[in-house]
Amino acid sequence: DVKVTQSSRYLVKRTGEKVFLECVQDMDHENMFWYRQDPGLGLRLIYFSYDVKMKEKGDIPEGYSVSREKKERFSLILESASTNQTSMYLCASAVRGWGSSFGSGTQLSVL
Amino acid sequence: GQQLNQSPQSMFIQEGEDVSMNCTSSSIFNTWLWYKQDPGEGPVLLIALYKAGELTSNGRLTAQFGITRKDSFLNISASIPSDVGIYFCAGLDPYNAGNMLTFGGGTRLMVKP
Repeated sequence: DVKVTQSSRYLVKRTGEKVFLECVQDMDHENMFWYRQDPGLGLRLIYFSYDVKMKEKGDIPEGYSVSREKKERFSLILESASTNQTSMYLCASAVRGWGSSFGSGTQLSVL
Repeated sequence: GQQLNQSPQSMFIQEGEDVSMNCTSSSIFNTWLWYKQDPGEGPVLLIALYKAGELTSNGRLTAQFGITRKDSFLNISASIPSDVGIYFCAGLDPYNAGNMLTFGGGTRLMVKP
């Protein structure tokens, strides 16, 4: 089974802090994704990457950036965290044409 | 980006009852997926559908890929307490080279023992 590991289950940060969310997958998948999940809004795509050093904006990229220096690792960066970025963040990876496998999520609270 | 219309948003049922939920879209998909998310966890893939009209089962779960390619259905028979969670549909469109999924808003299922 594919394993997608997110470095933290819970994070509490202060407004204005720079936040790094790390994600690692162990199945050599080309595609990796970052979503945020909010009650009533489902999963919304922030950024995705289809190859090393490649990135594409999703539906809600504002306030976020990403980094993919190695195939197995996809990082989400909040340059200056704000309270409206309090959310559950989910990382996923996929082989082209197949469904995504998700990590367990990181619940981020920005105070 | 678009979002699939998933209904119902929530269901509160008695253990042993059957459950039905569906997703509809204004555009076609060539793959439909159904995920379940347990509290505090990420979504886990339950069923994948790759062909219009396809009917696929996974234990007590049965999903169908609508013949118009614009909808999909998930049925759960004889529900049990561990079926509790949020169920998401997701579609993959034929013109999407990046393998992005479009998700429904989720159906929250609650089962009363």
